[in-house]
Amino acid sequence: AQSVTQPDIHITVSEGASLELRCNYSYGATPYLFWYVQSPGQGLQLLLKYFSGDTLVQGIKGFEAEFKRSQSSFNLRKPSVHWSDAAEYFCAVGTYNQGGKLIFGQGTELSVKP
Amino acid sequence: DAGVIQSPRHEVTEMGQEVTLRCKPISGHDYLFWYRQTMMRGLELLIYFNNNVPIDDSGMPEDRFSAKMPNASFSTLKIQPSEPRDSAVYFCASHSSRSSSNEQFFGPGTRLTVL
Repeated sequence: AQSVTQPDIHITVSEGASLELRCNYSYGATPYLFWYVQSPGQGLQLLLKYFSGDTLVQGIKGFEAEFKRSQSSFNLRKPSVHWSDAAEYFCAVGTYNQGGKLIFGQGTELSVKP
Repeated sequence: DAGVIQSPRHEVTEMGQEVTLRCKPISGHDYLFWYRQTMMRGLELLIYFNNNVPIDDSGMPEDRFSAKMPNASFSTLKIQPSEPRDSAVYFCASHSSRSSSNEQFFGPGTRLTVL
């Protein structure tokens, strides 16, 4: 069955520290992978996506993610976190032949300490 | 483009009342998705449409929920009768099959409170 696991429900980091949010997926076909961010009271905004090519993808707001097929992972990273990065982050997986359907992880809530 | 538009942004109703949530997808997008987000269950896909036709409604929780897409620019999600456990944020998203990936564009959501 298709699934996405985000092992960390809540993470707290200090401002200026580096960040890594974990995402593991289970999917038989070649996946499309996404990270979305949701600020409080807002909808979901796409941070970055991977569907082919270079396994290290760059996104908006200084985020990047690396696709590792051998580990079925797509971890999100940022070298230096800003207070405005506090939000909830969702990893999602989909495939072309499912017509846009995405499976979302449970989300990781990020808090940033001053 | 204005993005995905949802209305109302907030809805407070009493148990037993009918609730209708509305969504206007991005022009030219041929897929439309309805999601529900709660603390307990996270983000759940309720139903999605392709070219106005429902493709997968397996996520619709029960018969009290129904969704329609009468044309390419409008969809509704109806709950009748509503119950307190339906309180959640409901998101609409759209997607174009002409894009090279499955990226979905989300609306701002409707926060529903059923008293």
